[in-house]
Amino acid sequence: GAVVSQHPSWVICKSGTSVKIECRSLDFQATTMFWYRQFPKQSLMLMATSNEGSKATYEQGVEKDKFLINHASLTLSTLTVTSAHPEDSSFYICSASKGPAHQPQHFGDGTRLSIL
Amino acid sequence: RKEVEQDPGPFNVPEGATVAFNCTYSNSASQSFFWYRQDCRKEPKLLMSVYSSGNEDGRFTAQLNRASQYISLLIRDSKLSDSATYLCVADTGNQFYFGTGTSLTVIP
Repeated sequence: GAVVSQHPSWVICKSGTSVKIECRSLDFQATTMFWYRQFPKQSLMLMATSNEGSKATYEQGVEKDKFLINHASLTLSTLTVTSAHPEDSSFYICSASKGPAHQPQHFGDGTRLSIL
Repeated sequence: RKEVEQDPGPFNVPEGATVAFNCTYSNSASQSFFWYRQDCRKEPKLLMSVYSSGNEDGRFTAQLNRASQYISLLIRDSKLSDSATYLCVADTGNQFYFGTGTSLTVIP
């Protein structure tokens, strides 16, 4: 199997709160994990690529100080949305690949973030 | 030009029909391809991997045409449960490129 678990699945917070989302590969080691966000009826948008033991690589237009990514181990990456505001409300999904190139990504369940 | 392009649809087909989606990619360095299905408000789930000319899994057949740089997904005997958005992905080895998805609705 290739199971990726994401937690929490749903968060509702007040504006200004920081929210941490965890992404775990349960039955394999993931050197690289990916973080996406998706607005309703729109496609996935890659935010950053998370590499174990090193700094994440952010896509153009994604604020690294706003979306803090930590990949401390081969099975865990976290995304922290700092000082979240209503415009940060979205569906955040992580994914991980089992091995080197040409392996499919396996997605976590996603986190629905709602900022009031 | 987008790296991966898909017809967004929607495709509305009757139950039992055969439906095909095409996906074109622009980066000739792409070596691996994947089809995912995504249900509304859910995460994408891997449907098929395509590494060579094609792949078949039950009612689903994926074909790759490197010369024309497109991959296709054929669904035979459509079921109501096939209703979803189908995402095409090209992998260059360094990066994954997602299409915007094709919406399929299977009608009773």
